[in-house]
Amino acid sequence: EPEVTQTPSHQVTQMGQEVILRCVPISNHLYFYWYRQILGQKVEFLVSFYNNEISEKSEIFDDQFSVERPDGSNFTLKIRSTKLEDSAMYFCASGRGPPADTQYFGPGTRLTVL
Amino acid sequence: GESVGLHLPTLSVQEGDNSIINCAYSNSASDYFIWYKQESGKGPQFIIDIRSNMDKRQGQRVTVLLNKTVKHLSLQIAATQPGDSAVYFCAETHVYNQGGKLIFGQGTELSVKP
Repeated sequence: EPEVTQTPSHQVTQMGQEVILRCVPISNHLYFYWYRQILGQKVEFLVSFYNNEISEKSEIFDDQFSVERPDGSNFTLKIRSTKLEDSAMYFCASGRGPPADTQYFGPGTRLTVL
Repeated sequence: GESVGLHLPTLSVQEGDNSIINCAYSNSASDYFIWYKQESGKGPQFIIDIRSNMDKRQGQRVTVLLNKTVKHLSLQIAATQPGDSAVYFCAETHVYNQGGKLIFGQGTELSVKP
């Protein structure tokens, strides 16, 4: 069964550093998403992406964040200058089409900002 | 405002009993609802979904009920097993939301006692 994969599983970085979180969505999916989950809290939407552009973004997704689909298989989330409060689990998800289709989530990347 | 919330943060049941996890939503425009299961250290896993033109939908050992009058969603798990122990989230979205943003509830932790 196809699944969303994410790398790395855990990323530790210093405050102010740039990080890139990587995702490989399910191959026949066209819509891609990033969510985050601060420890013990609910999952929060960050951004959705379709046809090489952002469809929707939340207030969390400020100028420090960017997404890219550099090739036909990868989907990345970049945080330019990390802050302590960026520490969270970051989940990538993909689906065939919003909102009528299910979004399938990857295992997540735990980002720790020191 | 938009919100999806859960009535109970924790639920403990005996193995073999039925479990009922509840969710309240406040956005009456939402018309697509999904239940996700999240095991420790993993991403949300799709369980079952329901659209607003339905009141009930059944899967394997799971049933989702939707009451649009009181904006209430529930997940019923039959013959609960230790492997069902996890945090369960409900999520909502709207068919005309082209961005596909899912709004997650706070989560209910289900603990199954052998």
